[in-house]
Amino acid sequence: ETGVTQSPTHLIKTRGQQVTLRCSSQSGHNTVSWYQQALGQGPQFIFQYYREEENGRGNFPPRFSGLQFPNYSSELNVNALELDDSALYLCASSVFTQETQYFGPGTRLLVL
Amino acid sequence: EDQVTQSPEALRLQEGESSSLNCSYTVSGLRGLFWYRQDPGKGPEFLFTLYSAGEEKEKERLKATLTKKESFLHITAPKPEDSATYLCAVQGNPGGGADGLTFGKGTHLIIQP
Repeated sequence: ETGVTQSPTHLIKTRGQQVTLRCSSQSGHNTVSWYQQALGQGPQFIFQYYREEENGRGNFPPRFSGLQFPNYSSELNVNALELDDSALYLCASSVFTQETQYFGPGTRLLVL
Repeated sequence: EDQVTQSPEALRLQEGESSSLNCSYTVSGLRGLFWYRQDPGKGPEFLFTLYSAGEEKEKERLKATLTKKESFLHITAPKPEDSATYLCAVQGNPGGGADGLTFGKGTHLIIQP
């Protein structure tokens, strides 16, 4: 059974640029959630995707957007990067009818 | 708004010294309370899901318990490899459909040999 995978592992961008992060869900899972984790903090919910549509969103501005594909993989896009966007971005997959979410290794984003 | 508070923020124990981590929560209709372990620079690793007050789950040296206001993660005779940050999260009932988890800041646990 393949777990959740994310790419890239690390990324460095400059303020104002755009970034795309990718996630492949665990085998048998149909729901993907994205989280932002700042240093020393717990993960914060960005949004969730199910059936290729956004299904719930946390307190993040519209410049954070996403996609889910027919194979349940997902992308997180962040436009107009700000210094505070520097964080570990985590993807979690689950089965829509079940609560437990399983996390990937994360993508470390540094904005200079 | 769902809230999770974990204590202590950091805990240093000697190998074999048992202790408990606390997770206090407020949530509108608890759908699940979750414990994860996170090693530095890595994603959270799932440990337990608890659904209702009185429920308990065990895995090796860890045991999680749940009441209506808090959860405890008991660690018995810990080993150095149990050193990590332990995260607690809740999922409330948004009125329909799945939603995100609300996390605490975690307890940073260090087990000294």
